[in-house]
Parts: sequence; structure tokens; C-alpha cells
Amino acid sequence: ETGVTQTPRHLVMGMTNKKSLKCEQHLGHNAMYWYKQSAKKPLELMFVYSLEERVENNSVPSRFSPECPNSSHLFLHLHTLQPEDSALYLCASSQDSRSSYNEQFFGPGTRLTVL
Amino acid sequence: ELKVEQNPLFLSMQEGKNYTIYCNYSTTSDRLYWYRQDPGKSLESLFVLLSNGAVKQEGRLMASLDTKARLSTLHITAAVHDLSATYFCAVAISNQGGKLIFGQGTELSVKP
Repeated sequence: ETGVTQTPRHLVMGMTNKKSLKCEQHLGHNAMYWYKQSAKKPLELMFVYSLEERVENNSVPSRFSPECPNSSHLFLHLHTLQPEDSALYLCASSQDSRSSYNEQFFGPGTRLTVL
Repeated sequence: ELKVEQNPLFLSMQEGKNYTIYCNYSTTSDRLYWYRQDPGKSLESLFVLLSNGAVKQEGRLMASLDTKARLSTLHITAAVHDLSATYFCAVAISNQGGKLIFGQGTELSVKP
């Protein structure tokens, strides 16, 4: 595998389910990001991790719970979601979250549908 | 609050024509990115613009940056169908590390 991978690619879940999204980067980067892309809206930054430490949380509801066990893996745990949470969830990584001089590389995304 | 606005949001072009997508932003930025997204796919980096007056070209696409005007343009020359996609600009905020603010995206459709 190369670059940034995400699993699953598609997920349908009920409002009472618990599921997790997984992201893995094979680039040797130190920072990882979760974005939400809703239809017809710009990408919204959700979480930023640098060296496994959360450095930013953009007022995301607690039904989204991130986890970064090491610099190569990032999870987004989901529980009691709402239909409006249906979106494309994109993971990205960069060499360093502290500098804007580091390009972010994106994974293919997980298309989430909440019924 | 930083705003990044793209214009137009939808663009339908004929093959062979030229057009420009505009990206305006409201605060000081360290750098600006252009990304391409095909339907159902992730974002592919096209250009990174570092300084005022920067111009980069790749094939039929050319991007430029005017930091004084807080404006970037993505110019399409002699469009072909393969360029059909959604194009996003993203602005890196000065002094806020790697945080990117994205524009709404421009959905480009190139028709024969």
C-alpha cells in the first residue's frame, strides 16, 4: 500500500449503531487529519493529530470520537449518529501539523450514510 | 473569520475553450493549494503556490497567486473532457500551522 488508505470505503449505519473508520498513512508523516465533506459544502476540518496528540478539535459533536494510537494510524469512532452526519469523511496526512509549509495528502474517503 | 470563496461554483464548458476559476480569501496566508476531485474520489494535489506572483503550469492548467489582492486563479486552456472534475482551492492560514480552509469547490463539466 502506498499513500493514505481508508477503510471501509462505504458504510451504511443506523442511528443506534457504533462503527469505526480507519485511516493509515504509509508516507512517514507525523500529522493526520479528519475532514468532513458534505454535499455542496467545502471540506470541514474535524480533528488534527500531531505525533499522536490531538492538537485541534473544531467543535465536533461528541458522537464523533477520534483515536490516534500511533503516527501511522487514525480512527474515527462513531456512535448514535444523526442523518445529517451522512457525508464523505476524508483522512489526510502531512509531515508536520505545525507548519503550513507541509502539503496534506488525502485518502480516498469513506462514504457514510446514516439511516 | 477566514473565508475562502470560489467563483464560479459551476462551470460548463465546451472543449477547446478557455476559462478561469477564481479563488478569493479574506486574510493573510502562507500558501495556497489547488486540488482536483473526481466524483467519488479523493482530492489530488495540483499546485502549491508559495509567494506573491507565483505562477505554475501543468498541461492545460495554470495557477497564479496575488497575495496583495488575496486572489488566486486557475486558468484552463483549450479544455478537454478529461478535465471534468471539481476543483478546490485551499488556503493555509498564517501562524496556524497546517490548518487549511477550503473553498466551496468549482464543478467543471467539459462537453464535446
